[in-house]
Parts: sequence; structure tokens; C-alpha cells
Amino acid sequence: QKEVEQDPGPLSVPEGAIVSLNCTYSNSAFQYFMWYRQYSRKGPELLMYTYSSGNKEDGRFTAQVDKSSKYISLFIRDSQPSDSATYLCAAQTEDNYGQNFVFGPGTRLSVLP
Amino acid sequence: DVKVTQSSRYLVKRTGEKVFLECVQDMDHENMFWYRQDPGLGLRLIYFSYDVKMKEKGDIPEGYSVSREKKERFSLILESASTNQTSMYLCASRGQRKIYEQYFGPGTRLTVT
Repeated sequence: QKEVEQDPGPLSVPEGAIVSLNCTYSNSAFQYFMWYRQYSRKGPELLMYTYSSGNKEDGRFTAQVDKSSKYISLFIRDSQPSDSATYLCAAQTEDNYGQNFVFGPGTRLSVLP
Repeated sequence: DVKVTQSSRYLVKRTGEKVFLECVQDMDHENMFWYRQDPGLGLRLIYFSYDVKMKEKGDIPEGYSVSREKKERFSLILESASTNQTSMYLCASRGQRKIYEQYFGPGTRLTVT
């Protein structure tokens, strides 16, 4: 089974709020966990990735993976209107060609000034 | 600046027409992908290629074919377009080292009437 689930939202928050985006997955073979950001009328861009379990921080963004519960999270601190986009979680096994790269459906986030 | 370009941003075709979508990347990537993106379903893999003239089916290959004659170019072909192929089509490429990072083009919004 290759599946990643994500609440599609939409999610609206005021500027400065802490945003929590979450995904669950079912394939225990997933080792790479990614968050992509997609602005309107653009292709997705990689925001952050994590290998296996743990936390990773990059500026206002923190990614967390809990492999025991198959849970993926992205936290955005001090959210800005420029963070308004669709956020896609993704997961991949350790394959060579990317054929097991699975995306969630995305959560649309609006940060209101 | 890395770039993936797609031949058209918007395309309108009639049922039964043959449709060609082209994708070009300038990063010398071995792996290239075609996805379609539909609301609530996320990105679904149609076909991928890991080398020139090599192609593999993804999750939803029915009604599509692909061609990769040159390393930088990956084409998606709809042999006989149908209304259920109305969608956003996204091309991506990926290198062999950073297997967690796919670079996406801007997408082609295809409408089949």
C-alpha cells in the first residue's frame, strides 16, 4: 500500500500564529519524509526533508517525523501572509528511481494579515 | 538556477484528439516524472523514466504513453484525449544523489471538451 493522508483544509490563521500541518502514512518502508510548498499556478518546491524519525528545523519551519506512529508534522512559527500556499507532505522508500515517491493531497493554508 | 519547463501553461483539446505535453530540464538529471494533480487526490504518478529510452508505468498509466529520446526531454502523450483526462499535469526531474528532491515545472492545465 502506498498512501499518505493529509487533511486538505483549507486552514486560515492570523498573521503571527503558529501553524501545525499533519500527515499520516501507512507504508513502513518509507524512509524519507518531505514537505513541499506549492504557490498558486506554480509547481511544488521542496521546503524541508527528514530522513527516518526525528526533528529538523529551518528558520521558522520545523519538521517532525514519528515513525512509531507513522505521523509527519510541519510547524510554522510566526506565520506570514507569504506562507499562504498549499503544503504537500510526501514520503519515499530507499529506491533508486523515485517510483515510490508518494504525495499527500495537500493542505491549503491562508495566513491573513 | 535549476529549471524545468513545460511546453504549455494552458491547453484546450477536443475528445479524441492526440495530445503532446513536453517537458525539458536543464539539470542533467537522470530521472524524470509525469504526474497529474486533481483536487482532493494530490499528485498521482503517471509514468517515470530513469534513463534515455527507458520508461516505467506509475500508478495511473492507462490512456497515456511517454517518450524519452534525449536525456533532457520527457514527453507525455494522450493517444485519444477523454474528458476524464482534464487535469493539471506536472513534470518533475530528480538527480541520483538527492533522491528526496524533485524539481517541478509550472504545470500544464489541460481541458478536454
